[in-house]
Amino acid sequence: ETGVTQTPRHLVMGMTNKKSLKCEQHLGHNAMYWYKQSAKKPLELMFVYNFKEQTENNSVPSRFSPECPNSSHLFLHLHTLQPEDSALYLCASTLLGTEKGYTFGSGTRLTVV
Amino acid sequence: QQQVKQSPQSLIVQKGGISIINCAYENTAFDYFPWYQQFPGKGPALLIAIRPDVSEKKEGRFTISFNKSAKQFSLHIMDSQPGDSATYFCAAGSNDYKLSFGAGTTVTVRA
Repeated sequence: ETGVTQTPRHLVMGMTNKKSLKCEQHLGHNAMYWYKQSAKKPLELMFVYNFKEQTENNSVPSRFSPECPNSSHLFLHLHTLQPEDSALYLCASTLLGTEKGYTFGSGTRLTVV
Repeated sequence: QQQVKQSPQSLIVQKGGISIINCAYENTAFDYFPWYQQFPGKGPALLIAIRPDVSEKKEGRFTISFNKSAKQFSLHIMDSQPGDSATYFCAAGSNDYKLSFGAGTTVTVRA
């Protein structure tokens, strides 16, 4: 385990469903990120939270809604997704002001049917 | 617009050989260049990172070479082992703590 835990590991949902992805870290990090990983493509930054404040929304469709209730937890709420949203969703965290880099979770493999 | 370009997409190397992965960037504000290693079913893990004030950094069998004028950097895996078979991502970042990633290189080491 890396110290960043993502649940669930796998999720299959219909296009009309509502679901949430959860990310949790107890590393004392103060910035958290959501990335989308699709095959043969660069990781796409979706959302950034620094000190619980959202500082980035990289033109992500509104069907993705992030929530960061505290510095240890991050959620990604999903609704009315499209099949092209199927991907691996990765959560990462880091400690601002250091050179420790990102710590990633193992991801949630999302399939939209 | 892809900010970091990575090549090759995949490579096969014999055990004991050298794997070389190249990356190029355009944004001169980038000042932090990490490499991540990802195994199937896992998230990427930080392997090694470099700042532009040095031209080379070595950690064990892994070496980053950095060419600031050409805006290129590369990862060399010396004495490649089957356990090194994974996908490798280069990335670049600046003082905003947001990383831009390359598309990844799948390395297969044949015994």
